Amino acid sequence: DVKVTQSSRYLVKRTGEKVFLECVQDMDHENMFWYRQDPGLGLRLIYFSYDVKMKEKGDIPEGYSVSREKKERFSLILESASTNQTSMYLCASILGQGSYGYTFGSGTRLTVV
Amino acid sequence: SQQGEEDPQALSIQEGENATMNCSYKTSINNLQWYRQNSGRGLVHLILIRSNEREKHSGRLRVTLDTSKKSSSLLITASRAADTASYFCATRTSGNTPLVFGKGTRLSVIA
Repeated sequence: DVKVTQSSRYLVKRTGEKVFLECVQDMDHENMFWYRQDPGLGLRLIYFSYDVKMKEKGDIPEGYSVSREKKERFSLILESASTNQTSMYLCASILGQGSYGYTFGSGTRLTVV
Repeated sequence: SQQGEEDPQALSIQEGENATMNCSYKTSINNLQWYRQNSGRGLVHLILIRSNEREKHSGRLRVTLDTSKKSSSLLITASRAADTASYFCATRTSGNTPLVFGKGTRLSVIA
């Protein structure tokens, strides 16, 4: 069965810390995405990547960066965590374009205190 | 940018009843997809309908798409308690763009 694995289900970090959220897929998918999900706001796209070393900004990239050094791994980095980055973070991947659905990881619930 | 808007925001029904959720969107699309999310988990892809399709079925799921009204509906027939979840529609405007998700409908199926 195909899988997208997010390294942590729950994470608690302090304000100002640098935070790494890891996402690994075993499906040889080119395209990977990071969303955050907040009550009443739905899913919002932070960053995405169409290939190794490529990255594109989504709708809310401020305060985040990403790294894609290998095809299977897409990391989301919070440069200096703030309390307004407390959220559920969801990673997804897809093979190619267009006619497929995304495969999502189980999510990381990050709390910044 | 929020493309899809689900309606209603929350829905509560008895087991065995049908559940209908609607999604409206703003711009032309390549395809529309529906996802389910159990509490605190990731989303699971349910069904994809292309812009040139009007209806699609998968098991107890039926999806319709009306591009003239920019709307879609998801029907779950003979609902079960296990169908309790949030349901999201997501749209893709062209082949190479990320999905844009709505805010979801929270479905509760009471046994």
